[in-house]
Formats: sequence, C-alpha cells, structure tokens
Amino acid sequence: DQQVKQNSPSLSVQEGRISILNCDYTNSMFDYFLWYKKYPAEGPTFLISISSIKDKNEDGRFTVFLNKSAKHLSLHIVPSQPGDSAVYFCAASSKWSSGGGADGLTFGKGTHLIIQP
Amino acid sequence: ETGVTQTPRHLVMGMTNKKSLKCEQHLGHNAMYWYKQSAKKPLELMFVYSLEERVENNSVPSRFSPECPNSSHLFLHLHTLQPEDSALYLCASSQAGGDDGELFFGEGSRLTVL
Repeated sequence: DQQVKQNSPSLSVQEGRISILNCDYTNSMFDYFLWYKKYPAEGPTFLISISSIKDKNEDGRFTVFLNKSAKHLSLHIVPSQPGDSAVYFCAASSKWSSGGGADGLTFGKGTHLIIQP
Repeated sequence: ETGVTQTPRHLVMGMTNKKSLKCEQHLGHNAMYWYKQSAKKPLELMFVYSLEERVENNSVPSRFSPECPNSSHLFLHLHTLQPEDSALYLCASSQAGGDDGELFFGEGSRLTVL
C-alpha cells in the first residue's frame, strides 16, 4: 500500500504560469516532507522541504503548502520556466518522531512536469 | 569530486553473473542508502546504513547484498539476478540526527539484467 501518492503522472503548464504539483500521504507518523526534482540520467536533487509544525515554506519561485488535516501537500512553482521541466518526487519521513535517525524517505511515484513555451 | 558518486553508471549482466555497484560520498555524512527506481513505481528503499551498521532491510531478496566498509563507501553486490531486477539503483547519503532529513543522491547505476 502506497503511503505517499502522487496521482498525476504528468502535468503540462505554459511558461510563465503557475505549476501546482500535488501529493497525498496516509501515514500519520510522517512529520517531515520534501520535494525532489529529477532530470533524465541524473539522480534526484533536493528542492524544498517542510516540517509538520509549519503549513507553508517558500524559497524563491517555489512554495510548499502542507494541510495536515487533509494529509495533503502541494508544490507551487511560479512563474514556471522551461528549466523546470523534470520529474518531481514528493517524499516523507517520520524524522522527528523517530528521533532524527537514519530512516530514509518514502517517495511517491513522481509527476512529470512539462513546461511549454 | 561531486557529493555522491556511483559507478558504474550503466551495467548489463546475465542472470548468472556476479557484479557490484559502488557508491562513494564526499559530504562527511554518517548514513548511506540504496534505493531502487523501477518504471512507473516510487523510489523503493532497499537498505540503510547508519554509522556503518545496517539499520533497515526492506525485505530485499538475498540476491542483493549490501556492504558498507566505512562511512564513505557503500557497495551493492549482485548475484543470480532476474530480468525484473532491471532498474535504476540510486545511492544516497545523509547526516542522521541533523536538522533536516535531506538525502543527497548520486546519479544512479542503470542495471539491465538479460
């Protein structure tokens, strides 16, 4: 049973508009959430994160929103740029409840974002 | 040197072969991981090593055998694999107990089992 779900395999957005990528989770023990970006033939790279004590975290064009009651988070990219075309993975961990140990991350299947000129 | 390096980048092997994947991290981290990425599936955590001790083995078949000789190096030994084991194998490292849960990934080793 998937604990982290990204229900949209792909998303196409026009350059300059807002891209919204969604992620749902089922494990109530998750308390730390991350977004990774992956280009073909490269490993995933960290983009932005949020802990469960916050509901929003912003870094430049990227903003992550967390709705704990709905077990839902989203990544907003505005304005979208051609270089944003990549696969975006949502990931979660029970970092704080596990004492910050090395538990690894649980990933979703990813959403392929395509920015059209 | 980049943060996490994996070799080889591509590997083709037969089902009776024995091969190894290598990972090296230059970030001073104390935890290392192997993940498997198959088509249309989430990244699957295979093994975790924290302070050179294995702390998790997510029911991975015994034909995959990890080795962590020190905090900077991680191996994945492969033997008698099946075609369904063909995937991208990603190594990652982190600082366990740090302020964030960020993993740093290598570029992956693309494995094809014939």
